[in-house]
Amino acid sequence: EAQVTQNPRYLITVTGKKLTVTCSQNMNHEYMSWYRQDPGLGLRQIYYSMNVEVTDKGDVPEGYKVSRKEKRNFPLILESPSPNQTSLYFCASSLKTSGRSGYEQYFGPGTRLTVT
Amino acid sequence: GDSVTQMEGPVTLSEEAFLTINCTYTATGYPSLFWYVQYPGEGLQLLLKATKADDKGSNKGFEATYRKETTSFHLEKGSVQVSDSAVYFCALHSSASKIIFGSGTRLSIRP
Repeated sequence: EAQVTQNPRYLITVTGKKLTVTCSQNMNHEYMSWYRQDPGLGLRQIYYSMNVEVTDKGDVPEGYKVSRKEKRNFPLILESPSPNQTSLYFCASSLKTSGRSGYEQYFGPGTRLTVT
Repeated sequence: GDSVTQMEGPVTLSEEAFLTINCTYTATGYPSLFWYVQYPGEGLQLLLKATKADDKGSNKGFEATYRKETTSFHLEKGSVQVSDSAVYFCALHSSASKIIFGSGTRLSIRP
């Protein structure tokens, strides 16, 4: 089954304790992306990757890191989480880069993160 | 920079009513436009899309037309059902490979 998986689905942590949220896709997609969803703000792009070893900042990259060492995986790293990073996080992938290509994004089920 | 402005919700309608959710955008170049839907507790899934001016996307009775002259991509459905209750997001895929979402519109349909 074609899918995007994220782990963990729920996470409660404390300020400053490093954490990683994993994302994996089995569709051989080139493009992967991380978003955070907050009430009233919709989804905001954190980082995206157009291919292996190619990553770029989205609109809200501060406090986050990513890496793309393999095509299928795109982990999100919070080196020193803070309470303002409490949010619902989504990973997504698509066949190719965006623009006029019109390739849809496939979304994971989400990770609800709480930082106290 | 590129942006998407979406009609604020929540929107509450009776079953079989006509639905319009407004979406306008600002973008350089030639973006593709999308509507995604999010059901409770789930991730987003594609509802419909349009990749160039005057294209009409349609799916499950929903439609939206890419209007370059008014920079709009309004979502419409002629007769909504209870099962259409969800949050709807307008989005654009920019020529710079960024993806911009609107703030989302929560739709509730009364039986």
